[in-house]
Amino acid sequence: DGGITQSPKYLFRKEGQNVTLSCEQNLNHDAMYWYRQDPGQGLRLIYYSQIVNDFQKGDIAEGYSVSREKKESFPLTVTSAQKNPTAFYLCASSNRDNRYQPQHFGDGTRLSIL
Amino acid sequence: ELKVEQNPLFLSMQEGKNYTIYCNYSTTSDRLYWYRQDPGKSLESLFVLLSNGAVKQEGRLMASLDTKARLSTLHITAAVHDLSATYFCAVGDSNYQLIWGAGTKLIIKP
Repeated sequence: DGGITQSPKYLFRKEGQNVTLSCEQNLNHDAMYWYRQDPGQGLRLIYYSQIVNDFQKGDIAEGYSVSREKKESFPLTVTSAQKNPTAFYLCASSNRDNRYQPQHFGDGTRLSIL
Repeated sequence: ELKVEQNPLFLSMQEGKNYTIYCNYSTTSDRLYWYRQDPGKSLESLFVLLSNGAVKQEGRLMASLDTKARLSTLHITAAVHDLSATYFCAVGDSNYQLIWGAGTKLIIKP
């Protein structure tokens, strides 16, 4: 079955530490996205990528970085510059050739500060 | 700038009742989506609405779109406990991005 795999499911970060969240998809989608969800709130876009080796900042990119070296993979690094990283992080992908298809989501990674 | 507003943000209702969730958006768009999220889980796509007057139905849920009013509704008929979840609408902007509403947390009591 095609889908999006996020890992780990839970992640703890110490002060001053960078952590990387994994997102892998086998849907053959060109476009991939990272969202942050805080309790009781909607989704906010961190970064997105429409093609390999290219990505753009979303609304809340400060303190985060990404790479897109392979079509299937779009890892997100939460850097020590992100002072309030505790949140639920969701990775999504979509078919760039059909802008009307919905985005598909992974199961998320819950990040907390130790 | 495209903005999306959902209301209500919280809804507690009895099983068997009907209710409607509203999604307003501020500028023209050619696509609107409804998603469901169970607590601590990911988002599941429910409906894609692309044209004025579009209506989609799945079980006890029905979604509609009025592009002139920039309004979509998600109607719940004869609610059952299994429909308890948070429902999000998302509206497509001029790029490939989605602008999300804050979500409506729906609790259906037996």
